Amino acid sequence: NAGVTQTPKFQVLKTGQSMTLQCAQDMNHEYMSWYRQDPGMGLRLIHYSVGAGITDQGEVPNGYNVSRSTTEDFPLRLLSAAPSQTSVYFCASSYLRGAEAFFGQGTRLTVV
Amino acid sequence: KQEVTQIPAALSVPEGENLVLNCSFTDSAIYNLQWFRQDPGKGLTSLLLIQSSQREQTSGRLNASLDKSSGRSTLYIAASQPGDSATYLCAVNGGATNKLIFGTGTLLAVQP
Repeated sequence: NAGVTQTPKFQVLKTGQSMTLQCAQDMNHEYMSWYRQDPGMGLRLIHYSVGAGITDQGEVPNGYNVSRSTTEDFPLRLLSAAPSQTSVYFCASSYLRGAEAFFGQGTRLTVV
Repeated sequence: KQEVTQIPAALSVPEGENLVLNCSFTDSAIYNLQWFRQDPGKGLTSLLLIQSSQREQTSGRLNASLDKSSGRSTLYIAASQPGDSATYLCAVNGGATNKLIFGTGTLLAVQP
């Protein structure tokens, strides 16, 4: 039982490059979301999805895009990486609204 | 705007001690509250989920309480062990969009 799987685990980007962080869950969860974790600021919501084909912005969406074409996958795209996007990114999923949230192991991203 | 605070930011106790971690939130209109554990460089592991209608939840040596009216939750750890050393995060779920609002965590060190 894989749960929530994030790839890659580590990534270094140059300013201006683009990339996609992958997130997949095998629990048939409807709700998926992306958070970033920064020292002293806790986890902040970037984007979320309440089901395939439905996405919406969270607290800090600028510079990121998402799509949800299947229930299982919820990729996060960085359009033009900036040093301010250096962070640890977590993907989470839950079965129902208000149900227990499960998190992936995170992607540590450094933008130089 | 919901704000979540965790005090203390860091705590060091000798092995075997019972301890309490605190979480407070400013808006009592929550759907549920979830406690997580995060080991260094790792993802978040769900410990306990308390629905807004519940007063407490227990799992092994862990007991979490919720007082919505006062905006407080506590995580009680009995007979602490060095393996309990980690960062403990609480998160409230406002419900409508299943977003989690996190505190900045308490870093717990249990000394052998």
